[in-house]
Amino acid sequence: AQSVAQPEDQVNVAEGNPLTVKCTYSVSGNPYLFWYVQYPNRGLQFLLKYITGDNLVKGSYGFEAEFNKSQTSFHLKKPSALVSDSALYFCAVYNYGGSQGNLIFGKGTKLSVKP
Amino acid sequence: EAGVVQSPRYKIIEKKQPVAFWCNPISGHNTLYWYLQNLGQGPELLIRYENEEAVDDSQLPKDRFSAERLKGVDSTLKIQPAELGDSAVYLCASSLVGTSGYNEQFFGPGTRLTVL
Repeated sequence: AQSVAQPEDQVNVAEGNPLTVKCTYSVSGNPYLFWYVQYPNRGLQFLLKYITGDNLVKGSYGFEAEFNKSQTSFHLKKPSALVSDSALYFCAVYNYGGSQGNLIFGKGTKLSVKP
Repeated sequence: EAGVVQSPRYKIIEKKQPVAFWCNPISGHNTLYWYLQNLGQGPELLIRYENEEAVDDSQLPKDRFSAERLKGVDSTLKIQPAELGDSAVYLCASSLVGTSGYNEQFFGPGTRLTVL
């Protein structure tokens, strides 16, 4: 069965500093991995995905993620954090079950960026 | 392009009452998902539709939950009767899934249900 783990409930970063939000995965085949962001009282917004290809994936709002097969990780990164990046971040893996499958989400990491 | 629309945004009911949530997916998306998001948790799939067909409802508590997508477009999720533990955010998502493989899901703003 596919699963993802987000080991940190909260990440605190000062504005302008680099940020990393961690995610590890467990899959039985090739992983399809995703990052979503959720702002208060809003739905989830797609940030980026890894299907195949380059291990460094670039996404929306300056975010990127690095796929590491040996460490089974897919950490979200940004070189310089903004206060407006403060939100809840979810890592997800595509579940191969059924004819098309669905997303299995981690429990989320709250990112807090202070001025 | 309009996104996924959900209504109502907020609903407060007393336990044992019925409640219904409505979702209109992005135009042309053939696959619709209902997720349950408890406080402090990630979304969990309740049911997935491909067109009119519910292809995965294994996580839907069928004793009190029901869903329909009669014309393969909008969908309704119902709870009858509601219990205190049903208080959560109910998210709807849609995607265009074809033979080329997986496409990302687009989420609505959710309905926050409070059961008193």
